[in-house]
Amino acid sequence: QAVVTQEPSLTVSPGGTVTLTCGSSTGPVTSSHYPYWFQQKPGQAPRTLIYDTDNKHSWTPARFSGSLLGGKGALTLSGALPEDEADYYCFLSFPGSRFAFGPGTKVTVL
Amino acid sequence: EVQLVESGGRLVQPGGSLRLSCVDSEFTFRTENMNWVRQAPGKGLEWLSYINKDSSVRFYADSVKGRFSISRDNAKNSLYLQMNSLRDEDSAIYYCARGFGSSWFAHWGQGTLVIVSS
Repeated sequence: QAVVTQEPSLTVSPGGTVTLTCGSSTGPVTSSHYPYWFQQKPGQAPRTLIYDTDNKHSWTPARFSGSLLGGKGALTLSGALPEDEADYYCFLSFPGSRFAFGPGTKVTVL
Repeated sequence: EVQLVESGGRLVQPGGSLRLSCVDSEFTFRTENMNWVRQAPGKGLEWLSYINKDSSVRFYADSVKGRFSISRDNAKNSLYLQMNSLRDEDSAIYYCARGFGSSWFAHWGQGTLVIVSS
């Protein structure tokens, strides 16, 4: 069973840039894994930021972008705001109709 | 604005059954795929199940296959999760998520809490 990996925690300065990654135990992450990225703040439901690698929903702030980087899915936050402090989860699709979230990355804006 | 409201969560004994519901405020519910996702207290998100718009395709996570069943009633704008043979480790907040276009998880409900305990 595929395991999805993420950094446990990252810290970014206000106004700074940080990149979160999403890896797979089965090999490089590609567009065929259709990577998603979600933001979740304490006590709230998740909010979808990115789907299918780099597509944004209408509510996704422009400072968030998705890509593939070094064999992993990536979420880049450029110009971090205090309100971006949250847990971020990725989600991957695997052959055989298998799907999994990553363990999440806690982002601190400090 | 799309609103999803889950219900049906409660305290249930191990081995028991529960049916969760998710009602969509939009009549376009019937055109979109749906998912159930859960989150145990203090833990990460776990994908559970997917159903496409006409119920012809359903997927399940290994952890719930054979115990949980996803269904929908497009006439009632409703999604369901029938949960049988519940275990302590099924205790979690259960979220429904609605797709939009090619996105499986465009909109999320606020969740319903299931506690499995004797």
